Amino acid sequence: GAGVSQSPSNKVTEKGKDVELRCDPISGHTALYWYRQRLGQGLEFLIYFQGNSAPDKSGLPSDRFSAERTGESVSTLTIQRTQQEDSAVYLCASSLLGLANTGELFFGEGSRLTVL
Amino acid sequence: AQSVTQLGSHVSVSEGALVLLRCNYSSSVPPYLFWYVQYPNQGLQLLLKYTSAATLVKGINGFEAEFKKSETSFHLTKPSAHMSDAAEYFCAQADRGSTLGRLYFGRGTQLTVWP
Repeated sequence: GAGVSQSPSNKVTEKGKDVELRCDPISGHTALYWYRQRLGQGLEFLIYFQGNSAPDKSGLPSDRFSAERTGESVSTLTIQRTQQEDSAVYLCASSLLGLANTGELFFGEGSRLTVL
Repeated sequence: AQSVTQLGSHVSVSEGALVLLRCNYSSSVPPYLFWYVQYPNQGLQLLLKYTSAATLVKGINGFEAEFKKSETSFHLTKPSAHMSDAAEYFCAQADRGSTLGRLYFGRGTQLTVWP
């Protein structure tokens, strides 16, 4: 597609349920990133995929969070046993060759998660 | 630890007035620096970036930012605000080293432009 696509755009779930968020990066982009944006706060890094290299998972806040990426395409972010503090906008971004080469991330519009 | 500080979570200016959004970075080695903008109901998009060339960087929509190592600052300016500039602005930095791909974002500054 023309841009980074995320789904669902909005998700309301009950505490304790699992959720799965999907990201379709721009075709050909080798790097993919997940960030979290809580209300009134900056963007918080979660995880980074670059080609076939091992992902940088250092930003995942707990073992309830996991992410996968199939090759250089779709990525899914899974949150198990959701808690109210997981409520946030989850942003996905992709870039062509990684930050050092382009410096530009292309962001999706985000998935807004509300945990009741 | 890396950190980006944006002074002022909200800035209001009149249309035609100077826009100044402040950003200070924290890094012993000058990092890559970025300004992103998020218009209502849209994803973040890059305004401009500093990677090591000219210290005065020009971006889209008439914005520019100046890298000042002595002040560890990368403030965003625009000489004359337009109503369409109303948005949230994020400053971000990235290491030049091994942690490629990881951007550290500030908390954002919401810009309001009054007619």
